[in-house]
Amino acid sequence: DGGITQSPKYLFRKEGQNVTLSCEQNLNHDAMYWYRQDPGQGLRLIYYSQIVNDFQKGDIAEGYSVSREKKESFPLTVTSAQKNPTAFYLCASRFQTSAGDETQYFGPGTRLLVL
Amino acid sequence: DAKTTQPPSMDCAEGRAANLPCNHSTISGNEYVYWYRQIHSQGPQYIIHGLKNNETNEMASLIITEDRKSSTLILPHATLRDTAVYYCIVRPRYDYKLSFGAGTTVTVRA
Repeated sequence: DGGITQSPKYLFRKEGQNVTLSCEQNLNHDAMYWYRQDPGQGLRLIYYSQIVNDFQKGDIAEGYSVSREKKESFPLTVTSAQKNPTAFYLCASRFQTSAGDETQYFGPGTRLLVL
Repeated sequence: DAKTTQPPSMDCAEGRAANLPCNHSTISGNEYVYWYRQIHSQGPQYIIHGLKNNETNEMASLIITEDRKSSTLILPHATLRDTAVYYCIVRPRYDYKLSFGAGTTVTVRA
């Protein structure tokens, strides 16, 4: 999975609980992303960060929060405000050339289940 | 506002070439065509991308029509490990995100 690690592989959340998903990369990439995938569907962008200490909302940011204190790390917190958190969560980092070509590399994912 | 259209599923025989079509009739001049695949319960894997020329790497070939309205991903010798969902994505140059649709579920049969 190209130097991107996500933990844990499975995570169980109780009602009203906040949980944090870890994402670490050793690829020295500036940009990092969080996506959500529901069964049988494509990926939807939650948050992205193009540089340390900066991040932007994606298409479905409500109920989620992120931080980017280090280049290598981009943790995602699923808050109690997210009413339907059961999904497969994927973290990615982006390699971009000066010509504008880019490739996103994905981690192995974290599957979040609500108890 | 889907930018690409792919068949929902296709089968191919092990050892044969797999040709995966993608329609992107509204593509604009600064948009790239990307292909990713996702094996069950894993993160997506980058395959190849191109702007207007055909491209080839160790995994696949990408053939883009001259008018750029469609493309074909070719897996030259499909193996059982190529069974996955394949996503065709159109992305503007310097855009910050990839927009994944439903993709094509490819099943390679022995």
